[in-house]
Amino acid sequence: QKEVEQNSGPLSVPEGAIASLNCTYSDRGSQSFFWYRQYSGKSPELIMSIYSNGDKEDGRFTAQLNKASQYVSLLIRDSQPSDSATYLCAVRTGSARQLTFGSGTQLTVLP
Amino acid sequence: DADVTQTPRNRITKTGKRIMLECSQTKGHDRMYWYRQDPGLGLQLIYYSFDVKDINKGEISDGYSVSRQAQAKFSLSLESAIPNQTALYFCATSDRTGPGTDTQYFGPGTRLTVL
Repeated sequence: QKEVEQNSGPLSVPEGAIASLNCTYSDRGSQSFFWYRQYSGKSPELIMSIYSNGDKEDGRFTAQLNKASQYVSLLIRDSQPSDSATYLCAVRTGSARQLTFGSGTQLTVLP
Repeated sequence: DADVTQTPRNRITKTGKRIMLECSQTKGHDRMYWYRQDPGLGLQLIYYSFDVKDINKGEISDGYSVSRQAQAKFSLSLESAIPNQTALYFCATSDRTGPGTDTQYFGPGTRLTVL
């Protein structure tokens, strides 16, 4: 079992819809959780970080963390074609000194 | 100016050649990382360094070496390049303290092709 798993997609949603991206992790001691967006051929850029159970909102983005169920999700409201990218989930697992990345979910927002 | 820079941005080389990729940062961060990315495989950690004297292997360090010349500079070397090292390479940095300690900031990447 991979430490951090994401559905690779592709996930397609129409413009204006809510896109829901999910990530599960295997280590219950994980401390820090991140969502990065990566456009094709470009570097990952941070969208959200979340450290505590519950929801964290930033503009059209909401990160949700449930440590008991070991998942973290990202909701994108009012999806735009410019949101089309690969979304990477990253987790600092247990006592690790570095992040572990999932393989990413490719999102396409259709005009 | 970019906070994290990588040189070169693109490089084509031949099997068996030695190659160095360089990373510099002006963010003042102590921690630096090297990743490679292959299509569909996400980011794989090659090496990481928490300060000049603290260098650690990541999950795929075989065939690579690193040098932390200063707090702001972290270089990745391929001693004898092979075709399956063809990939996109990213450098990243993070801060040692504060609420965003684990947040990593990425350079623009180096696309390496080994023929």
